[in-house]
Order: sequence, then structure tokens, then C-alpha cells
Amino acid sequence: EVQLVESGGGLVQPGGSLKLSCAVSGFTFSGSAIHWVRQASGKGLEWVGRIRSSTNSYATAYAASVKGRFTISRDDSKNTAYLQMSSLKTEDTAIYFCTRRDDYSGKPIDHWGQGTLVTVSS
Amino acid sequence: DIVMTQSPDSLAVSLGERATINCKSSQSVLNSSNNKNYLAWYQQKPGQPPKLLIFWASTRESGVPDRFSGSGSGTDFTLTISSLQAEDVAVYYCQQYYTSPLTFGGGTRVEIK
Repeated sequence: EVQLVESGGGLVQPGGSLKLSCAVSGFTFSGSAIHWVRQASGKGLEWVGRIRSSTNSYATAYAASVKGRFTISRDDSKNTAYLQMSSLKTEDTAIYFCTRRDDYSGKPIDHWGQGTLVTVSS
Repeated sequence: DIVMTQSPDSLAVSLGERATINCKSSQSVLNSSNNKNYLAWYQQKPGQPPKLLIFWASTRESGVPDRFSGSGSGTDFTLTISSLQAEDVAVYYCQQYYTSPLTFGGGTRVEIK
């Protein structure tokens, strides 16, 4: 069974930092790209960024709204991906989903975690 | 960035009737090298993450009921639920995965009339 389990969410003050983790199982992590997608309460889906597989040089890409503040990384030996968030703003408040996309077939995101809530507030 | 525009924002359909959702991209998501449209549809029920329904604009994901179908090419796409069931109440999103940043439509809420 494919599983992606996010952790590390919580309450943080504006300007603060937080690191989310995504532990995966049930599929070949090393052959997958990991994308982070967020959703503010009652709002739509916003792509945050992604990291590709080693075959694709662990290439990263980010949404303009988070570029320079967020960093995505991965540890293939631990089947875990990370989202390091810094200089957090109130508008970063959202549920953050870790998702998986096959890095070779071109198919879209096909598995999602349950999400972890990040609240940025003083 | 490719902007995805969905319509309507919401619709109410009687049980057993057809529901149609439209999605328009600001530029083509058709890859001419493989003739595939990089367009997906997701279903999100309250309190749950989205679930992939359709990819390549018209290919159903494994396990998705055949009352769900996708059509369209280039910039204009449609998701059709041929006979709405109670369990189909959800918000539906289109997404282009042709290029980064991946972008989603604003969502369409489907309810029972």
C-alpha cells in the first residue's frame, strides 16, 4: 500500500521557520519525484515545489510565492522528503500535502499524504 | 505560468443526472512529440486529500468508476459524470502537469439538487 505521511506541522510566528517531513512507503521512492502542494482553509490547491529523482539530478523547482524562502530536499536512504520553510508569512498558513509523481512516465501526481497543518500567527 | 480556469464554480445536479465541468488553460498543454495532453482531474471530498481521477485528459485512473470521463485537447477540457451518485459530492480540480509550476483550476463544487 502506498503511503505518504507528513509530520512537523504546527504553530509558528511570522518570520519563523519550520521543517516538514514526508515519510513514504509502498513504492520506489528513488524513482519518484516528490511535490509539495498546499491548501489554505476553504481555498483551492496551490503547488509549492518539487524535487526530482537522482536520475534527474535531484532538480528542484518552486512556486514564485515561496522561492527563496522554502527548500525541498530528500534522503533516499530514509525514504523521506523534507520541506524547510523560513521567513514564514501569515499567508503561508495552510495544510501542506506531500505528493508523489512518477519521475519517468510523465504521469501526474497520483498519490497524496493526508497533510499537515501549518499555522503562521503571532 | 499556465493559468487554469474552471467553470462553473459550483453546480447542483439531481441523482442520476449528468454533471459537466469545464476547464480552460491559458496555453496549450498538448505535447506534440507524443500527442498527449498533460491535463489531470482530481476529486477532493471534505477532510480528505485529492484523489486522481483522470490523466492524459481522458485516461481513467485504476479503480475509478466509468461514469467519470474526460475529454478535450489543447486548451479546452471537460470532466463529465454521466450519472451522479451521492458519493460524488466533492470539489473537482483540473491541473496541468505540462510544465512547472504545476497549476490547478480554482475548483468546482458538485452538490446534489
